[in-house]
Amino acid sequence: NAGVTQTPKFQVLKTGQSMTLQCAQDMNHEYMSWYRQDPGMGLRLIHYSVGAGITDQGEVPNGYNVSRSTTEDFPLRLLSAAPSQTSVYFCASSYGGLAAYEQYFGPGTRLTVT
Amino acid sequence: GESVGLHLPTLSVQEGDNSIINCAYSNSASDYFIWYKQESGKGPQFIIDIRSNMDKRQGQRVTVLLNKTVKHLSLQIAATQPGDSAVYFCAENRRGSNYKLTFGKGTLLTVNP
Repeated sequence: NAGVTQTPKFQVLKTGQSMTLQCAQDMNHEYMSWYRQDPGMGLRLIHYSVGAGITDQGEVPNGYNVSRSTTEDFPLRLLSAAPSQTSVYFCASSYGGLAAYEQYFGPGTRLTVT
Repeated sequence: GESVGLHLPTLSVQEGDNSIINCAYSNSASDYFIWYKQESGKGPQFIIDIRSNMDKRQGQRVTVLLNKTVKHLSLQIAATQPGDSAVYFCAENRRGSNYKLTFGKGTLLTVNP
């Protein structure tokens, strides 16, 4: 199993540009989440999904959109990039129920917005 | 505001010693607590979790203790090894929040040979 994969690993955007961060998992996990990690901070939840076709907002959803059309994929869209979105983005997945707390994280995407 | 916090941002120990990483929480509705390890340049990795109706849980070389009276939990690592050097995060799930996790800021553990 490849686990959780994220692309790209690094990205530089100009203010106002849009892009999609890709996330895929091959473990047939129900739950998928997107977090951002800023220096000296823990991870903050952006959006999450409890199954295909179901998404909900986390702690910091503004400026981001998600969709989940398949179990495997959970892309994160930045609508109009801002310097405040410079961060490392992690995608995570897990089984449902009480196993939802054992999340498997991808390697991250380091995004810089200039 | 931040409801899951760490007592110390850094911890340095000698190889072979036991390590104790602390975490405080403020929300009485917290139902599950989870510890994650993040090595440099990598995504976090699940270590162990504990439910609020438990006081202690043990894993391989790790023990998590939960003190609900003072809203405090700790992660103990036995016989710390250089491979244990990482940032350790505690995270909480609040009852009724649909498995969403709130992470603390993390403690950097450095193991000296």
